[in-house]
This record gives sequence, C-alpha cells and structure tokens, in this order.
Amino acid sequence: LAKTTQPISMDSYEGQEVNITCSHNNIATNDYITWYQQFPSQGPRFIIQGYKTKVTNEVASLFIPADRKSSTLSLPRVSLSDTAVYYCLVGDMGAGTYKYIFGTGTRLKVLA
Amino acid sequence: DARVTQTPRHKVTEMGQEVTMRCQPILGHNTVFWYRQTMMQGLELLAYFRNRAPLDDSGMPKDRFSAEMPDATLATLKIQPSEPRDSAVYFCASGLSGDEQFFGPGTRLTVL
Repeated sequence: LAKTTQPISMDSYEGQEVNITCSHNNIATNDYITWYQQFPSQGPRFIIQGYKTKVTNEVASLFIPADRKSSTLSLPRVSLSDTAVYYCLVGDMGAGTYKYIFGTGTRLKVLA
Repeated sequence: DARVTQTPRHKVTEMGQEVTMRCQPILGHNTVFWYRQTMMQGLELLAYFRNRAPLDDSGMPKDRFSAEMPDATLATLKIQPSEPRDSAVYFCASGLSGDEQFFGPGTRLTVL
C-alpha cells in the first residue's frame, strides 16, 4: 500500500500560486494520484487526478515527475476561500480491490 | 445536482447503544465507501462495496461494526454496542469503480 507524506501546514497570501508536494516513494505501477480538498464540517471534494506528467483542469494543475515518487498540486492565484485541508491519495484505479489511504493532509491557510 | 446523502447528520447516544448510519449513494455509482474521521487518526477507510458486494472491510472493528448494502440505493453502517472511542465523523462516499469519490456531508457521532 502506497503511503503518502505531505507538509502538515502552509500559509500563503491571496493572489499567490501555492504548490503542495506529496511524497509517495513506493507507488505501484497501477496507482493513480488523486487530490482532495476538505473544508470544515464537509466531506472531501475531488480536485484533480493524474498518472504521469502534467494534468490541468479549471481549478488546479498536477505535476508528476517521471519516477512518480512525488507529485505537486499547484493552485494558481489562491483566494481566502481556498483555505482548507488538502489530501493526496495514491491508489489502484483498476477493477481489483484497493485501499485508499488518506494521509494527514496539508492545512493551507490563505491570508489577506 | 446529484449528491450523496447521509442520515442522521448528528447523533448523540450513550455507551452500549446501537447506532445505525445510512447513506444513499449517487444513482448509478457502483462503489460505496465508509470512512471515519477523527482529529487523532484523520480519515480512515472502514469498508467499501462494489456492485453491493463487500470488497474490503479490514479497516473496521469486526466485533462491533457491520456494513451492508441492502440494495443499490442504501448503504448502512452499524455499531453495536457503541463506545466513547467511536465518537467521530463518519463519511459515506460513492463513485464509479476507481474514479473520483463523491463524499456525503457526514454523520457526526458522539457516544457519551
């Protein structure tokens, strides 16, 4: 089972780009990397998912190096509403059994 | 806007009582997850089902917890007897096989 390591917390200012890196040294060949965002008193919400190289959607980008042992979530021009906990998950997306392991997450605080 | 629904949203009970939490996954989703979140342990996967069949419940204390899917529109998580250490927020999530998980709002359980 791939275990992930993230910084416990980060601070940023509005308008800045925020990069959160996740380490997953023992990622398996079939594992995908997924990021979730969680606000207080809510369930986690899907942000982005990728397997290798770079993935971009309307809210974030995900950078994955060739060895796939880490990944970086990039949030462009954060606002106060991006203050939340961000989780990196690694897991097999196939039809077989798998176990998602949510790490401790990174608590992002965006300051005015 | 399809959402995962969970009932009850809050539950306060006394030690030794049975607790039943219910989840209605998004229509068409074939995978249902149960998670527990506490400050100390973070988000833990308790069990998950695919096409109503339990695939993994290794994260669940077997002696007191049970999870079922009586039909495709209902998943249940029962605790009997409940203990103070079971106090947590319990999330249900659904998805299509290994794709993104859609989380419900959670059930906040307090066992006195």
